Amino acid sequence: FSLTQPHSVSESPGKTVTISCTRSGGNIDKNFVQWYHQRPGSSPTTVIFGDNQRPSGVSSRFSGSIDSPSNSASLTISGLRPEDDGDYFCQSTDRDTQAVIFGGGTKLTVL
Amino acid sequence: EVQLVESGGGLVQPGGSLRLSCAASGLNFRSYTLAWVRQAPGRGLEWVASISAASVTIVYSDSVKGRFTISRDNAKTSLYLEMNTLRDDDTAIYYCARDKWDDYGFHWFDPWGPGTLVTVSS
Repeated sequence: FSLTQPHSVSESPGKTVTISCTRSGGNIDKNFVQWYHQRPGSSPTTVIFGDNQRPSGVSSRFSGSIDSPSNSASLTISGLRPEDDGDYFCQSTDRDTQAVIFGGGTKLTVL
Repeated sequence: EVQLVESGGGLVQPGGSLRLSCAASGLNFRSYTLAWVRQAPGRGLEWVASISAASVTIVYSDSVKGRFTISRDNAKTSLYLEMNTLRDDDTAIYYCARDKWDDYGFHWFDPWGPGTLVTVSS
């Protein structure tokens, strides 16, 4: 299966942005989706796991959701801040094979 | 605080071998599933392999199966990745990470180490 993300998005500080992640092959709602944030030169950090759960310490400005009809997941970031800049990757699993797939990543620019 | 620190990266010729290590501290190492994830320069993330706490369950991506071997030494709180028959497209930063598969029943990775760069080139 594969996960497809938009190459880039941009938005102004204080605004809200949504990044999509569309699954091809298999059902999005049968395999949990995670989202990672990576700043240039740094390792990824988790912002959402289990479709919509935030790890301890992650701001409530980050939220995740699943849309079964479109077979996609979304990451929404509200009240954008300059530090939200960077790449965002979605990730999920094939439950039958345990293969792990990442989306290609979306570069978020906070203008 | 959990710390994962990779080492062993470097320049290797195509067809060569390399062994990566990941030293862990601040976590109950012998209880956790661990993983390797890589990132080619300027590219996205690619999962490489995961190994369960007692090394009973090991899974690999198709792109490295048969060439790479993941292993661990719980007494030394270390994770390893033996890489053989290296190709140009194996060039990447290799990250070790805790794989929370054991706690949640699905793979997700947190925390990650800073990574070690492997360059395959003649």
